Amino acid sequence: GAVVSQHPSWVICKSGTSVKIECRSLDFQATTMFWYRQFPKQSLMLMATSNEGSKATYEQGVEKDKFLINHASLTLSTLTVTSAHPEDSSFYICSVIGQASYNEQFFGPGTRLTVL
Amino acid sequence: GQNIDQPTEMTATEGAIVQINCTYQTSGFNGLFWYQQHAGEAPTFLSYNVLDGLEEKGRFSSFLSRSKGYSYLLLKELQMKDSASYLCAAMDSNYQLIWGAGTKLIIKP
Repeated sequence: GAVVSQHPSWVICKSGTSVKIECRSLDFQATTMFWYRQFPKQSLMLMATSNEGSKATYEQGVEKDKFLINHASLTLSTLTVTSAHPEDSSFYICSVIGQASYNEQFFGPGTRLTVL
Repeated sequence: GQNIDQPTEMTATEGAIVQINCTYQTSGFNGLFWYQQHAGEAPTFLSYNVLDGLEEKGRFSSFLSRSKGYSYLLLKELQMKDSASYLCAAMDSNYQLIWGAGTKLIIKP
C-alpha cells in the first residue's frame, strides 16, 4: 500500500492565526488526495478533494476561503486553516488513492489541531 | 439521502467472537470498506467487499449482501489490542466514501 505522511503531527495555535498542514505521498505520485476532518467521537467528514494542478473540490458547507488547499505537485498537498478559531480544533487527516485501484484509500497519520 | 448505520458501542470478552453490523443506503454502490481506528490515530484499512459473500482474512472476516444493503465485520479470537473503533464506509457512484460514525469495541479480559 501507499505510504502517506503528514506534518505536523499536532499543533497548538492562538485564535486568529493560520496553520498549514502538509500531506505527502512518499512512494508514488498521487493525482488525487482527500482531506478529512474528524471531531471527537464522530466519523470522518470529507472536506475537499485535492487534485494536482487544479483547484480543489470542496464539500458543501466547507468554506474554501478558510480552508485553503494547494496540490502543487504529485507528492504534496497542503491544507491551510486561515484565521483559526477554537471551533476549528479537530483531527485533520489526508488520504490518497492507491495506484492499483481507485477503490483503495490510504490515510496519513493525521494532524491534531488545537486552537486556543 | 445517503446513510450508514452501525452500533455506537459493543463490548466483548478476550478470546471470543464479535460481529459488527452495518447497513447502508447510497446513490450507486462501488464497494463496502471496513477500517480500524485506534484512539488518536488515523484509520487503517481492514477489508473491501464489492461482491456478495464472505471475505476471510486471518482473524477478521467481512460479509456483504448488496440486495439487503448490509455488511458485517467478524472478529475472531479477540485480543486486547482489538479494542478500537471500527468504521464502515460505502463508496457511492462518484467513488466517494460515505462514512458511518464508527463502532467502539471494548474488549474485556
